[in-house]
Amino acid sequence: AQKVTQAQTEISVVEKEDVTLDCVYETRDTTYYLFWYKQPPSGELVFLIRRNSFDEQNEISGRYSWNFQKSTSSFNFTITASQVVDSAVYFCALSEAGTALIFGKGTTLSVSS
Amino acid sequence: DVKVTQSSRYLVKRTGEKVFLECVQDMDHENMFWYRQDPGLGLRLIYFSYDVKMKEKGDIPEGYSVSREKKERFSLILESASTNQTSMYLCASDPVGRGYSNQPQHFGDGTRLSIL
Repeated sequence: AQKVTQAQTEISVVEKEDVTLDCVYETRDTTYYLFWYKQPPSGELVFLIRRNSFDEQNEISGRYSWNFQKSTSSFNFTITASQVVDSAVYFCALSEAGTALIFGKGTTLSVSS
Repeated sequence: DVKVTQSSRYLVKRTGEKVFLECVQDMDHENMFWYRQDPGLGLRLIYFSYDVKMKEKGDIPEGYSVSREKKERFSLILESASTNQTSMYLCASDPVGRGYSNQPQHFGDGTRLSIL
């Protein structure tokens, strides 16, 4: 069965600190997709990234980077030089081919100035 | 730009009422979803629709029904609201139909529903 674990419930950092949000997943399928979404206080979930199981390349987008490691079933998300605007709830999610999206319970990130 | 609009940001209803939550998307998307978000539980899928008049139950469909009469509109119905349905409800859509697509979903702002 599919499962996504975000062990960190809440993280608090000061601006300009780097922070890593952990995501560990379970699946028996060889084809699957991993996602990260951001939910700011306004409520709307914003899509950040999708990665398929055949592409283990890490990705960097500005201050954001993602580390996908199949060997440890992890898809971690790092924010470099965090800013107050990064304060949000972050969700990791998983879907096997042709199945519903399963979300982790989310990590609340608070960045103070 | 992609837009998913939920009819209310905040809603207060009474136990036993029939409640309608409306969602409209302007992207001609096939798939639409209703999720429920509760603290410590993340998002859980209530219902999914992959075409007009087509629907599938998600993980927690009990106490809910849905309606999709037009492609752009997906309604969630609480037949007889109960206090344990107090929650944040999120609507989403994605462009590939006929089943779960594994595509990124576009979300609305959410409706915070309180049942008294």
